[in-house]
Amino acid sequence: DSGVTQTPKHLITATGQRVTLRCSPRSGDLSVYWYQQSLDQGLQFLIQYYNGEERAKGNILERFSAQQFPDLHSELNLSSLELGDSALYFCASSVAASAGGNEQFFGPGTRLTVL
Amino acid sequence: AQKVTQAQTEISVVEKEDVTLDCVYETRDTTYYLFWYKQPPSGELVFLIRRNSFDEQNEISGRYSWNFQKSTSSFNFTITASQVVDSAVYFCALSEGSYGQNFVFGPGTRLSVLP
Repeated sequence: DSGVTQTPKHLITATGQRVTLRCSPRSGDLSVYWYQQSLDQGLQFLIQYYNGEERAKGNILERFSAQQFPDLHSELNLSSLELGDSALYFCASSVAASAGGNEQFFGPGTRLTVL
Repeated sequence: AQKVTQAQTEISVVEKEDVTLDCVYETRDTTYYLFWYKQPPSGELVFLIRRNSFDEQNEISGRYSWNFQKSTSSFNFTITASQVVDSAVYFCALSEGSYGQNFVFGPGTRLSVLP
C-alpha cells in the first residue's frame, strides 16, 4: 500500500459527459501528479501540482483540468468525454516539488470507461 | 524532444535465469533523471530506482541491478535469478527540465518468468 488513495476505482460513463477523479496524497507529500495509461498512448504524464499551485504540465488536453485543494487532495476533471479517453488514470505523490528529484508513490488508479 | 525507447516488447525467461531489460533515452538536457517502474498484473505502479545524469555509478539492490552509461544513452536493468513474482511490465522513464517537469515513459517491456 503506497498510501496514495484514488476514488473511484472504476467509472463508466457516456461520451460527452464530465467526470471528476479524486486523489489523496500520502501524508506529508506536497506534490500530486496525474498520469494517463491507455493502450494507444501508453503511460503519459498529464499535470503536476505542488502545494496548491500548478507546477508542470504534460500532455493534458484542454478538455481536462485539475486542481489541488488546501488539504492537498487533488481532483482531475475530464469533460466532453470521448471514447479515446477510456484509460487508467493514476495519481502519484511525492514530498518535493521536483518531479525528477524524488520518488513518486502511485495510487491504485481509476479505470475510466467511456461508452 | 526527449524520448525513451524500450526495444524489447516482451521477454520470456525460465525461473532462475538472468534477464536484462534495455532502455535507451534521448535528451538535449545535461541535467535529467532516469527511472524504472514495475507494473505487476495487479496494475499498480511501483517505483524501483531513480538516477540523475551526474551519477553514473551502477547500482545493485538485491537481485536487481542497473547499468547507466551516458556514452550510449542507456539505462539497463538486470534481474538476476529471476522469480515468477518478477513477472510484470517494466517501464523506463526520463525526466528533464529545471524541475524535472518533462516526464516521459518508455512503452514498457512485458517480462514473463515461467516456473
